[in-house]
Amino acid sequence: DAGVTQSPTHLIKTRGQQVTLRCSPKSGHDTVSWYQQALGQGPQFIFQYYEEEERQRGNFPDRFSGHQFPNYSSELNVNALLLGDSALYLCASSLYTDTEAFFGQGTRLTVV
Amino acid sequence: GQQLNQSPQSMFIQEGEDVSMNCTSSSIFNTWLWYKQDPGEGPVLLIALYKAGELTSNGRLTAQFGITRKDSFLNISASIPSDVGIYFCAGLITPGQGNLIFGKGTKLSVKP
Repeated sequence: DAGVTQSPTHLIKTRGQQVTLRCSPKSGHDTVSWYQQALGQGPQFIFQYYEEEERQRGNFPDRFSGHQFPNYSSELNVNALLLGDSALYLCASSLYTDTEAFFGQGTRLTVV
Repeated sequence: GQQLNQSPQSMFIQEGEDVSMNCTSSSIFNTWLWYKQDPGEGPVLLIALYKAGELTSNGRLTAQFGITRKDSFLNISASIPSDVGIYFCAGLITPGQGNLIFGKGTKLSVKP
């Protein structure tokens, strides 16, 4: 049973560019949440997708957007990258009616 | 963003020792989760707690949901080298809504 998978694992982008990160949820899960984890910090909630709609959003600017596909996989897009966007981006999947969230290995984004 | 107060920030363990850490909040939570994160990996769910006063074990790990619903505790008995890593508490205010709020983590290292 495949767990949560994310791609790519590492990425280097230049300030001002745009980036797309991808996530496939654990089999049987219908909800995907995205988190940003800065070095030495706990993960910070970006947003959650269920039934292809954004259901909840954390305190992140509109430069952060997402999408969920009919197969429940999800993308996180970040426009106009800033140096401060450098972080580990984590995807977590769950059942919408459940609480336990399972994380992928993350995508390490470095903005230079 | 909002974060939980997790302590201690770091601690050193010697094999065989018991370890305790805790997490506090000014807000009431309906769910507490404990995760472990190894370098370069995503957090792995260890224990989930759903009711005030609940005590739940997972092998050598025991976690408790505080009576006030504003705190949680994690104990590791008879620590072993593979217990090294960063432990995060995470709280959820509204069940079923994916906005997990994380602490900054407790880093467990081996005593030199």
